Amino acid sequence: GDSVTQMEGPVTLSEEAFLTINCTYTATGYPSLFWYVQYPGEGLQLLLKATKADDKGSNKGFEATYRKETTSFHLEKGSVQVSDSAVYFCALSTSFGKGTSLLVTP
Amino acid sequence: DTAVSQTPKYLVTQMGNDKSIKCEQNLGHDTMYWYKQDSKKFLKIMFSYNNKELIINETVPNRFSPKSPDKAHLNLHINSLELGDSAVYFCASSLRTSGSSYNEQFFGPGTRLTVL
Repeated sequence: GDSVTQMEGPVTLSEEAFLTINCTYTATGYPSLFWYVQYPGEGLQLLLKATKADDKGSNKGFEATYRKETTSFHLEKGSVQVSDSAVYFCALSTSFGKGTSLLVTP
Repeated sequence: DTAVSQTPKYLVTQMGNDKSIKCEQNLGHDTMYWYKQDSKKFLKIMFSYNNKELIINETVPNRFSPKSPDKAHLNLHINSLELGDSAVYFCASSLRTSGSSYNEQFFGPGTRLTVL
């Protein structure tokens, strides 16, 4: 069945540092891939998505590219801010990764 | 506001009690979900309904029973609550999937259930 593996945190970065959160997947067919973000005390919200191979999803400075050859969908941001502190989930269908907690310090 | 709403936001109850959580979406979606998030933030699908029909029924104790009276509502009833049921329960909705590909899901704010 479908499954997602993402790097576990917590990840602590200084403001303006580069962020990468790795995500790999196992799936039948060619599913859409998603990154969701969960701020403290809130539900998950979509951060970005990609619907086919080589698509790049982007939003709020975050990017992820759907790589079929490596079955990966790594999340990146060039310069993180304190307000990016949250838990990030990679997902396909109803399978979610275990979440990566990110803390950005001033 | 268009959104997915859940009630109650907090639920504290004793072991052995029966409780319900309600979910409503006004996004015009035809598919709704229940997820359980444990204390380590791990999110697990429990159920999914499409047009009031149960389409996902994961390995969940039969003390949990979902009910979808219409496309906009999906409720979760839990009988004989146990300590291990303590978690945050999220409702979500989306438009119908196409083949192997799911559309993005919109999540409610969650219901924090504490069983004492």
